[in-house]
Amino acid sequence: NAGVTQTPKFQVLKTGQSMTLQCAQDMNHEYMSWYRQDPGMGLRLIHYSVGAGITDQGEVPNGYNVSRSTTEDFPLRLLSAAPSQTSVYFCASSYSRGRKPQHFGDGTRLSIL
Amino acid sequence: EDKVVQSPLSLVVHEGDTVTLNCSYEVTNFRSLLWYKQEKKAPTFLFMLTSSGIEKKSGRLSSILDKKELFSILNITATQTGDSAVYLCAVEVDDKIIFGKGTRLHILP
Repeated sequence: NAGVTQTPKFQVLKTGQSMTLQCAQDMNHEYMSWYRQDPGMGLRLIHYSVGAGITDQGEVPNGYNVSRSTTEDFPLRLLSAAPSQTSVYFCASSYSRGRKPQHFGDGTRLSIL
Repeated sequence: EDKVVQSPLSLVVHEGDTVTLNCSYEVTNFRSLLWYKQEKKAPTFLFMLTSSGIEKKSGRLSSILDKKELFSILNITATQTGDSAVYLCAVEVDDKIIFGKGTRLHILP
């Protein structure tokens, strides 16, 4: 049972480049979410999904897109990377909404030059 | 705007001390409050609280929620160096989970 798997673990991009952060879970969880964590800022919600085909915005959605075509996968896309998006990104999942504790992936450390 | 405020932001104590971490919230539609511990990587779950006045306990850690005064505390007794971490409080609001900025706890041997 792998839990929540994020890839890649580290990435360096140039300003303006695009990329997709991958997140997959094998627990048949309905609810998945993406957070970014910056020093002294805790975790800030970017986007979330309550089930396949349904996504919604969190606190800091600008510059990011998501889709949820399957229950297992919830990729996060940066269409045109900016230095302000340098951060550690965490994906999380739970059985239904947030009522069960979320399982977190190990994070992706992203640097935008 | 929904918000979760943790205090203190950082804390340094000696091994064996007892610490109390605070979390207050102002949200529109409260569902639950969660505590997480974060060491080097991903946060790990500690407690979920939904009802006022009922203490949750796990070893030396305990937590309680006050829904009238809109806050929760996390207590750690007889602290050990392995308790050094960032402790995150989060509140479930409708379909979203909002985190506070965390309390960085450092235990001196």
